Amino acid sequence: SQTIHQWPATLVQPVGSPLSLECTVEGTSNPNLYWYRQAAGRGLQLLFYSVGIGQISSEVPQNLSASRPQDRQFILSSKKLLLSDSGFYLCAWRENTRNTEAFFGQGTRLTVV
Amino acid sequence: LAKTTQPISMDSYEGQEVNITCSHNNIATNDYITWYQQFPSQGPRFIIQGYKTKVTNEVASLFIPADRKSSTLSLPRVSLSDTAVYYCLVGSQGNLIFGKGTKLSVKP
Repeated sequence: SQTIHQWPATLVQPVGSPLSLECTVEGTSNPNLYWYRQAAGRGLQLLFYSVGIGQISSEVPQNLSASRPQDRQFILSSKKLLLSDSGFYLCAWRENTRNTEAFFGQGTRLTVV
Repeated sequence: LAKTTQPISMDSYEGQEVNITCSHNNIATNDYITWYQQFPSQGPRFIIQGYKTKVTNEVASLFIPADRKSSTLSLPRVSLSDTAVYYCLVGSQGNLIFGKGTKLSVKP
């Protein structure tokens, strides 16, 4: 069966520090991968999605970037965190076919101080 | 991806049936309608998906009229544990954009 792993679960980082969140999927190949951010009490904001290795689409311009170095690995990065980067970050995947459901990781609670 | 419109919030009591309607006027021919449920500090979870008429599973029912410009998620006999945010999505491939969802509060 397919599983998705996202870590760490919580993270406290100072302003201006770098960020790296990793997400991996097991049990499938060539999945669509997604990064979302959810601010407290707000909706899910799609940050990046990828339909294949090296193919990244950015939905929101910001100081974050994403990479997909391997088929089932998706990394969210920042060179310098801002206070506004605090939030709940979620990674998700779904099959690269029409109308399939998405599966989410457990999320990372990031607090920038 | 077709834009969707849902009520921001709804209140209900335990044991009642709850119906949440979603409007998607620009739905494309190939698009399915998918509903997700999200609890605080968790990722959304798939509830149900349909293309037309009625779909039912162990959790909910989904009603889709012939013109497919709207859909209604029906939760039978809700309990306190059904308090969550419910999202309606329309689309097939590529990006997966969630709207603001409907915050359902179930009261005793």
